[in-house]
Amino acid sequence: GAGVSQTPSNKVTEKGKYVELRCDPISGHTALYWYRQSLGQGPEFLIYFQGTGAADDSGLPNDRFFAVRPEGSVSTLKIQRTERGDSAVYLCASSLIWGDEQYFGPGTRLTVT
Amino acid sequence: AQSVTQLDSQVPVFEEAPVELRCNYSSSVSVYLFWYVQYPNQGLQLLLKYLSGSTLVESINGFEAEFNKSQTSFHLRKPSVHISDTAEYFCAVSEMDSSYKLIFGSGTRLLVRP
Repeated sequence: GAGVSQTPSNKVTEKGKYVELRCDPISGHTALYWYRQSLGQGPEFLIYFQGTGAADDSGLPNDRFFAVRPEGSVSTLKIQRTERGDSAVYLCASSLIWGDEQYFGPGTRLTVT
Repeated sequence: AQSVTQLDSQVPVFEEAPVELRCNYSSSVSVYLFWYVQYPNQGLQLLLKYLSGSTLVESINGFEAEFNKSQTSFHLRKPSVHISDTAEYFCAVSEMDSSYKLIFGSGTRLLVRP
């Protein structure tokens, strides 16, 4: 079956611009997670959704980052006023239920110039 | 706060040789432990996990890891590696009461040479 998909696979934007990154989880998975992976580092937790609500957004670095999951399926990570330090690979994962095995998507590589 | 340390950023090894990738963690509460693998141009995949029970866990492709609570370690081993094992390996932990939040190490690149 289809895995987690993320679009776009690559995004180049200028400093100060707004970007949206999309995640399509595995069908039927109620839990969705966003992570950020900087060069040479492991993934870093950003936010976790259970259904439509953000159950834990403690990993979002500041208020320029926001994520939504309005219908409990697709999620969008939104970054306002992008900075060069936001350049990273943004990973999305989903799991059937809370605490279950997380299945990762291929990531979106964001480059802020 | 939890943390995961993978001291070796890269481990070169010859094909059919044994390998150990080291992972140490720090946590004040009980944890679950994971190894993820990332093959070139692919997403992260779960390799094996320790939740409870036997401290030795195995994967389907010959890797094993042993949870050592006293040493707070979860080292990954394979007795004989293949070229196809070349990948980035990430150790991760999660607290039992917030098991959705994975804390990853910085990764170890396993490079298997013929």
